[in-house]
Amino acid sequence: GQSLEQPSEVTAVEGAIVQINCTYQTSGFYGLSWYQQHDGGAPTFLSYNALDGLEETGRFSSFLSRSDSYGYLLLQELQMKDSASYFCAVRSFQTGANNLFFGTGTRLTVIP
Amino acid sequence: KAGVTQTPRYLIKTRGQQVTLSCSPISGHRSVSWYQQTPGQGLQFLFEYFSETQRNKGNFPGRFSGRQFSNSRSEMNVSTLELGDSALYLCASSSSSGSSTDTQYFGPGTRLTVL
Repeated sequence: GQSLEQPSEVTAVEGAIVQINCTYQTSGFYGLSWYQQHDGGAPTFLSYNALDGLEETGRFSSFLSRSDSYGYLLLQELQMKDSASYFCAVRSFQTGANNLFFGTGTRLTVIP
Repeated sequence: KAGVTQTPRYLIKTRGQQVTLSCSPISGHRSVSWYQQTPGQGLQFLFEYFSETQRNKGNFPGRFSGRQFSNSRSEMNVSTLELGDSALYLCASSSSSGSSTDTQYFGPGTRLTVL
């Protein structure tokens, strides 16, 4: 089977940096995606890592270590609007290359 | 480019009924995937359609089915509704050459309540 683990809740201060970790277990791993979802909204794509290393997109960065089955999402210069749920999701042979197996999500609360 | 659209946005049904949900992908996208989101189980993959064929399937009972039309629009059907089918149903489209790098873009979802 497949499994993903990420913290259920994280609280951080506006302007700070927060890291959301994700460990996974799967076979036929293709890559790790990150999505943001505000309450009542649709998941929005943030980043995708297929290879080891860091990917940077503005204030958001994502890291992958395939050998450790581990990744993280780094959010810098936190803003109140970043309060949302963040999901890591694997692409693997088990669900087909194009589809996503999601973690349970991390609820990020940004406080003033 | 218009995003992924889903109709209806909200539905209330009773146990035993059936329901059909619709999804229109981003123009040019040929793959449509469906997901169920519940507080207890999170986001779970239902199935994927590509070029009118089911390409992948998640671990859901046969009461959940879908289809895709020649214009890439997709429908999913749930028969004999159960209380546990109450969920947000999301569809996602991608251009999908089948590459694992194709990004999936999600629609706003259909909120189904089963009474």
